[in-house]
Amino acid sequence: AQSVTQLGSHVSVSEGALVLLRCNYSSSVPPYLFWYVQYPNQGLQLLLKYTSAATLVKGINGFEAEFKKSETSFHLTKPSAHMSDAAEYFCAVRTNAGGTSYGKLTFGQGTILTVHP
Amino acid sequence: EAGVTQFPSHSVIEKGQTVTLRCDPISGHDNLYWYRRVMGKEIKFLLHFVKESKQDESGMPNNRFLAERTGGTYSTLKVQPAELEDSGVYFCASSQGLAGAMDTQYFGPGTRLTVL
Repeated sequence: AQSVTQLGSHVSVSEGALVLLRCNYSSSVPPYLFWYVQYPNQGLQLLLKYTSAATLVKGINGFEAEFKKSETSFHLTKPSAHMSDAAEYFCAVRTNAGGTSYGKLTFGQGTILTVHP
Repeated sequence: EAGVTQFPSHSVIEKGQTVTLRCDPISGHDNLYWYRRVMGKEIKFLLHFVKESKQDESGMPNNRFLAERTGGTYSTLKVQPAELEDSGVYFCASSQGLAGAMDTQYFGPGTRLTVL
């Protein structure tokens, strides 16, 4: 069974500072990994996903994540935080069902990012 | 192209009542998922449809929950009778079922259910 752990339920940074949101996963097979973001009063939006094509994945809004198999990690970073980045971020892992190309997502607990001036 | 839509956005009901949530997936998406987030907890999988068939319903909490997807288009999730612990945000997601990692689940805005 797979699981996801996000370290830190709340992260606070200053505008312009580095954003680092941590995610560790557990999976018995090579995983598909995702980061989603939820802005206030909106649904979850895909930020980026790991497809095994490259370990460093670039997403929308300047975010990127690096897949490190040895550390079973998929941390999300952004060099310079903006006020509009304030949201809740979710790391998720998917294990495909029975050889199919789809399956349920297992989510971490979520990390609320606060950006202050 | 319209995204995943859910109705209602909010629902407040009393314990013992029945509530039906609706999800309209992105047109052409055969895969439809239901998830739930109870306050303070992680988002958890409930079930997965491929067209009108239930592919995986391992996350359904009990038999008070009934999901349907007649005709393989929209889906409904009925809770009958509702209990206090059913309160939370119910998310629906849909995907095309593309090969490998290309498949992406697109989420709706969720339905916030409050059971008093």
